[in-house]
Amino acid sequence: AQTVTQSQPEMSVQEAETVTLSCTYDTSESDYYLFWYKQPPSRQMILVIRQEAYKQQNATENRFSVNFQKAAKSFSLKISDSQLGDAAMYFCAYRAQGGSEKLVFGKGTKLTVNP
Amino acid sequence: DVKVTQSSRYLVKRTGEKVFLECVQDMDHENMFWYRQDPGLGLRLIYFSYDVKMKEKGDIPEGYSVSREKKERFSLILESASTNQTSMYLCASSLGVWSEKLFFGSGTQLSVL
Repeated sequence: AQTVTQSQPEMSVQEAETVTLSCTYDTSESDYYLFWYKQPPSRQMILVIRQEAYKQQNATENRFSVNFQKAAKSFSLKISDSQLGDAAMYFCAYRAQGGSEKLVFGKGTKLTVNP
Repeated sequence: DVKVTQSSRYLVKRTGEKVFLECVQDMDHENMFWYRQDPGLGLRLIYFSYDVKMKEKGDIPEGYSVSREKKERFSLILESASTNQTSMYLCASSLGVWSEKLFFGSGTQLSVL
């Protein structure tokens, strides 16, 4: 079974600085998707960024970028120029390309942004 | 924008009660999901549905059932609530087989006393 591991239960960063959240996963599949979701205090889960495993280029969405290392099964999220609104729980998630639609989530990392 | 609406934000029930959690999506999505979220455990899939009247067990279906009589509505049922079912429940939907993006509701915090 696929598993997703987030080894940092909590992280903090100063406003305007850069922070990296770690995620590793385990799968025997060759084609899959990886995601980072953000859950602010409002509890609404918001998709931050996604990566297709067949793409070598790392995904980027404005201040958010990933470092996808397929061989190492690593998928870290980098947040640049951190803002107070970035404070939230961040979940890494995996989904196989075919068959089941199930997302497998990590346990989450709570990010605090200090002014 | 897709809207996924969960009927209650907070709910308090007694042990042994039958509990219904309702979820409605307004974008004609085929797939709907129920997750529970617990501190330190992340999100765990309870049940999901690919179509009306179809359902499949997720990773932790014990103590739960679901109903999908209409495409837009997916209900989670706790037949006899227990204190270990105190949790945050999140509903989600997605468009189709190749859709990788889930849209989530705002969650229902259920307390079973």
